[in-house]
Amino acid sequence: DVKVTQSSRYLVKRTGEKVFLECVQDMDHENMFWYRQDPGLGLRLIYFSYDVKMKEKGDIPEGYSVSREKKERFSLILESASTNQTSMYLCASSLGGGDHYGYTFGSGTRLTVV
Amino acid sequence: DAKTTQPNSMESNEEEPVHLPCNHSTISGTDYIHWYRQLPSQGPEYVIHGLTSNVNNRMASLAIAEDRKSSTLILHRATLRDAAVYYCILIGAGGTSYGKLTFGQGTILTVHP
Repeated sequence: DVKVTQSSRYLVKRTGEKVFLECVQDMDHENMFWYRQDPGLGLRLIYFSYDVKMKEKGDIPEGYSVSREKKERFSLILESASTNQTSMYLCASSLGGGDHYGYTFGSGTRLTVV
Repeated sequence: DAKTTQPNSMESNEEEPVHLPCNHSTISGTDYIHWYRQLPSQGPEYVIHGLTSNVNNRMASLAIAEDRKSSTLILHRATLRDAAVYYCILIGAGGTSYGKLTFGQGTILTVHP
């Protein structure tokens, strides 16, 4: 089974800190995604990547950046954390487009910014 | 991106079949219909997907209307572990929607013992 591992389940950071959320997948998937999930707003796409060193903005990229130096690892960076970035962050990976199955999600990182 | 419309919530009794509807009247010819579900405190989980023909797997069945403007996820015998939020999502095989999952609000399924 494909596994998507997120480095932390729970994280508490202070306002203004630089925060790294790490995601690793073990099945050589090309595509990786970062979402955040908030009550009443559902899951929203922050950034995604179709290849190493490649990134594309999702629907809500403001305040975030990403890094993909290796195929298996996709990092989400909060340059200066703010309280409105308190959320559940979910990483996902996939082999291809809609004709492929196997969009696999991690268990999520619940980030609290105080 | 093409949108989907699902009921906010549905209820079922354990061991009964459940039919979860999804409308997608603006679906394009290359959009695949995917279903995911999210159990409490977990990330979404793939359930099933299809293009034109009905599909079956060990988890569920997917019935797709002939005009592809709607589909139905069928859980043949609901269990308490099936209580989750179910998302119907369209994913393009190409173009700007290639590979991206755009989530709606989904259907909250409650299963009663």
